[in-house]
Amino acid sequence: DQQVKQNSPSLSVQEGRISILNCDYTNSMFDYFLWYKKYPAEGPTFLISISSIKDKNEDGRFTVFLNKSAKHLSLHIVPSQPGDSAVYFCAAMWSNTGKLIFGQGTTLQVKP
Amino acid sequence: DAGITQSPRYKITETGRQVTLMCHQTWSHSYMFWYRQDLGHGLRLIYYSAAADITDKGEVPDGYVVSRSKTENFPLTLESATRSQTSVYFCASSPQSGISTDTQYFGPGTRLTVL
Repeated sequence: DQQVKQNSPSLSVQEGRISILNCDYTNSMFDYFLWYKKYPAEGPTFLISISSIKDKNEDGRFTVFLNKSAKHLSLHIVPSQPGDSAVYFCAAMWSNTGKLIFGQGTTLQVKP
Repeated sequence: DAGITQSPRYKITETGRQVTLMCHQTWSHSYMFWYRQDLGHGLRLIYYSAAADITDKGEVPDGYVVSRSKTENFPLTLESATRSQTSVYFCASSPQSGISTDTQYFGPGTRLTVL
């Protein structure tokens, strides 16, 4: 049973607009949630994270929102740029293990 | 080169053969991880290691063996490759578990095809 789910395989947005990527989880014991970005033929790179005790974390154009009651998190990219086109993975962590559980990924395409 | 490297980058093998994928990191990170990426599944943890000579299973360990005699190296061996092990394999390292949420740094991946 998948503990972290990204139900949208792909998303297409216009340059300058907002991109919203969604992620759902089932285990309320996760301590941290992270977003990774992946370009073709490269490994994933860390983008932004949020602790389970917070509901928002912002870093430049990227903001992650956490709704613990709904077991849902989202990544907002504003404004979206063509260079943001990549696969985005949501991940959850138990801090005492360091292990990450990944979602299936969402492919974002930002059109010029 | 500094960082985390994987070799080979591409490998084609046949069913039943033994294959070893190499992972090397220069940061002296304590933790190292092996993932496989498959369409529809994202990245799934195969094995991880908290330190030299300490390894543990992840979500999908069957058919794989790992060892970690040195902190910087974490090879992954497929003892008898099967077609279902065709995948892209990523190695990652992390300085520690716990509150370090910049967490894992990934290598470039190895694309393995089992015929």
